Amino acid sequence: GAVVSQHPSWVICKSGTSVKIECRSLDFQATTMFWYRQFPKQSLMLMATSNEGSKATYEQGVEKDKFLINHASLTLSTLTVTSAHPEDSSFYICSALRRGPSYEQYFGPGTRLTVT
Amino acid sequence: ELKVEQNPLFLSMQEGKKNYTIYCNYSTTSDRLYWYRQDPGKSLESLFVLLSNGAVKQEGRLMASLDTKARLSTLHITAAVHDLSATYFCAVRSYNTDKLIFGTGTRLQVFP
Repeated sequence: GAVVSQHPSWVICKSGTSVKIECRSLDFQATTMFWYRQFPKQSLMLMATSNEGSKATYEQGVEKDKFLINHASLTLSTLTVTSAHPEDSSFYICSALRRGPSYEQYFGPGTRLTVT
Repeated sequence: ELKVEQNPLFLSMQEGKKNYTIYCNYSTTSDRLYWYRQDPGKSLESLFVLLSNGAVKQEGRLMASLDTKARLSTLHITAAVHDLSATYFCAVRSYNTDKLIFGTGTRLQVFP
């Protein structure tokens, strides 16, 4: 299967600071990537669709000014949580879409964000 | 709007005792259904991709099937072992988009 990496795997930051999370597809080019967040014992919630070379598409209720997404190349998307607050603490998972016969999203290992 | 329901939410079973099924219902037409496994603190591991009506896939003690007419997929667990303890999610591709809509997840606990 394809490989998607995320960095960092965990981060602790203070309230009011910004945090950037990187998502890389290591062995294929991905014009489309996705960002999800997951609270403890809950399902994955899609936050936004990241499109290479264009603006991200955010799901309803997700603040685009708070969760900045940049898909600068075919292998890298970044999520920046701006002015983080404790309620932003969560597990953030990215995926990269590999088009083709299986048309499958490959998931990164996730980033655990704790805001103190 | 596509909605995905999964049940049960929680399954607890003793190793090897019985067979169990997790159900995944979805509300609108879709052309792809996925099953994933998630261990605590980890990301998703892909188990199965089901593409057509009547599709059946098996891997070890897990078997997944898809009935597109009933908009139902099942994940059948045969004589579970402790290694299968995890949370299982189904996800459905929203038709004509690239988005995946996830079910609520089923937490499976297998004890000796």
